[in-house]
Amino acid sequence: DAEITQSPRHKITETGRQVTLACHQTWNHNNMFWYRQDLGHGLRLIHYSYGVQDTNKGEVSDGYSVSRSNTEDLPLTLESAASSQTSVYFCASSERSTNTEAFFGQGTRLTVV
Amino acid sequence: DQQVKQNSPSLSVQEGRISILNCDYTNSMFDYFLWYKKYPAEGPTFLISISSIKDKNEDGRFTVFLNKSAKHLSLHIVPSQPGDSAVYFCAASGEGTYKYIFGTGTRLKVLA
Repeated sequence: DAEITQSPRHKITETGRQVTLACHQTWNHNNMFWYRQDLGHGLRLIHYSYGVQDTNKGEVSDGYSVSRSNTEDLPLTLESAASSQTSVYFCASSERSTNTEAFFGQGTRLTVV
Repeated sequence: DQQVKQNSPSLSVQEGRISILNCDYTNSMFDYFLWYKKYPAEGPTFLISISSIKDKNEDGRFTVFLNKSAKHLSLHIVPSQPGDSAVYFCAASGEGTYKYIFGTGTRLKVLA
């Protein structure tokens, strides 16, 4: 079955370190998204991509970057981790069409100490 | 500026009764709306959606209503079951893009 997987599921890192969260989907979806979930804020869009070599900033993109070198993967990099980036991160993917749902991964809980 | 709002952080309902979750949006360019359900330590899962050309969509116990003039949608769950206890997010898409904007979520607790 097609799926979307995130790794690691849990990560503890120190302030100032670079961290990369992986996202891999086997749906062959063109669209991929990164969200963070925080209490009181719901799911906020960090970055998204509509295809290979395409990346776009979301509403909370500062301190994060993504790259899309193939259809299946959209890694999220925290350039210099900050305590404010402690959160649960979700990757999602969808077909390149309107009126369709996105499928989410299981999430990565990141703690920055 | 929160474009999609869920003003009730939590809701408790007795088993067998109706659960009504509400969502408001500000951007009139949104033309597709979705509801997701999320259990702890899991990713959100798609529940039901509605296009702006409709005012109602039904799938089993779940019905979504859309009032475009009021920029308001609601999710009705009838009858509510303990397994429905979760956080529910509404989301919107449109403006000629494929991205989804989510609300802050409502935690539903169905009491047995």
